[in-house]
This record gives sequence, C-alpha cells and structure tokens, in this order.
Amino acid sequence: EVQLVESGGGLIQPGGSLRLSCAASGFTFHYYSMTWVRQAPGKGLEWVSSITGSDGAIYYADSVKGRFTISRDNAKESFYLQMNGLRIEDTGVYYCARGGLAAAVTYWGQGTLVTVSS
Amino acid sequence: EIVLTQSPGTLSLSPGEGATLSCRASQTVSNRYLAWYQQKPGQAPRLLIYGASSRVNGIPDRFSGSGSGTDFTLTISRLEPEDFVVYYCHQYGSSPQTFGGGTKVEIK
Repeated sequence: EVQLVESGGGLIQPGGSLRLSCAASGFTFHYYSMTWVRQAPGKGLEWVSSITGSDGAIYYADSVKGRFTISRDNAKESFYLQMNGLRIEDTGVYYCARGGLAAAVTYWGQGTLVTVSS
Repeated sequence: EIVLTQSPGTLSLSPGEGATLSCRASQTVSNRYLAWYQQKPGQAPRLLIYGASSRVNGIPDRFSGSGSGTDFTLTISRLEPEDFVVYYCHQYGSSPQTFGGGTKVEIK
C-alpha cells in the first residue's frame, strides 16, 4: 500500500523558516517524481514544486522560487521542502504527492498545516 | 504559464442528474496531460481521470473525461450523494504545472 506521511508543519512568524518532510513507503521511491501542492484556507490547489526521481531535476512555482528548496533522499525514501522567508500568503495545508511533469498525481499525503502569522 | 479556467464555479443539481464540468486552458496542454481530482471537505484530493480521458482503477464508470488541446470536460453521468463536492483540473504537461480554480457541485 502506498503511503505518504508529511511532517514539519506548524506556526511560524513572517520571515521565518520551516522544513517539511514526506516519508514514502509502498513503492519504489527512486523511480518516481515527487511534488508538493498547497492549499490556502478555503481556496484551491496550488502546485509548489516537483523533483524527478531519476536525475533530480527540480521545478518551482514563481511564487516560491528563491525562497523554497525541494530535495530528496532516495536512501531514506523521503523528500523535503525547505521554506525560507515565509510570508503570510504561504499559509495553508501542504500536501506531498507522488507525481510530477508528465505524471499525474496519483497519491497524496494527508497534508500538514503551515501557519505564517505574527 | 498555462492558466486553467474551470466553469461553472458552482453547479447546482439534484441527485440522479448529469453534470458537465469544463476546464479551458490558455494554451494547448501537451500530450493531453490533463487530470481531474475530487476533493471532499477535510480530505486530500483524489485522482479520478488522467491523460484527459483515462479513468483510475476503482473510480466508478459514471465519471468520464474528454477533450484535447485547450478544452476538457469531466462528465458525471448520474450524480450520487457523495459526488456533491469540489472538482479540480490539473495540467502536468509543462512547468509550471497549474490547477484550475475548482468547480463545486452542490445539491439543488
């Protein structure tokens, strides 16, 4: 059974940093692209970033480019989102997901809430 | 960036009726890399359709997808009570990937 479990969310002040983690199981992790998608309270889905499984190619939404960094550790079957310079508008539920460019998101984690507030 | 516009924003229908949800792209979606997701309150989205028209295993056959280029449609043939939730389209053929704003299907 495919499982994706996020951790690392919480309350942080504007300008602060958080690191989200996603632990994967139930599939051959290094074969797959992985993605972060977020959802602001009461709003729609927003793609944030993806990283491929094979060559580690990385893609970011313009809204987070230069502030967020995606990475993966295939040996630990995990991937991460380092978020720096957090803004109030970064508040929302962050989902880790299996999928990426040319691959629909087939599995989603349960989400972790990030609240940026003073 | 490909902008996806979903219409209508809200669809008011009765159980048993059919629903047609539209997703229009500002540019051609390459290789028909267009997916549809269903999201229930408090839950993560669930993939229904990928590649514009391929239904995921286990998804009821009342859900179907069609379209190509810039115009895509999700059709629900006979609405069941559990179908009255929010639906999103998603293009994953070019970066940045983008989602539509969603269509809420509500009980009339």
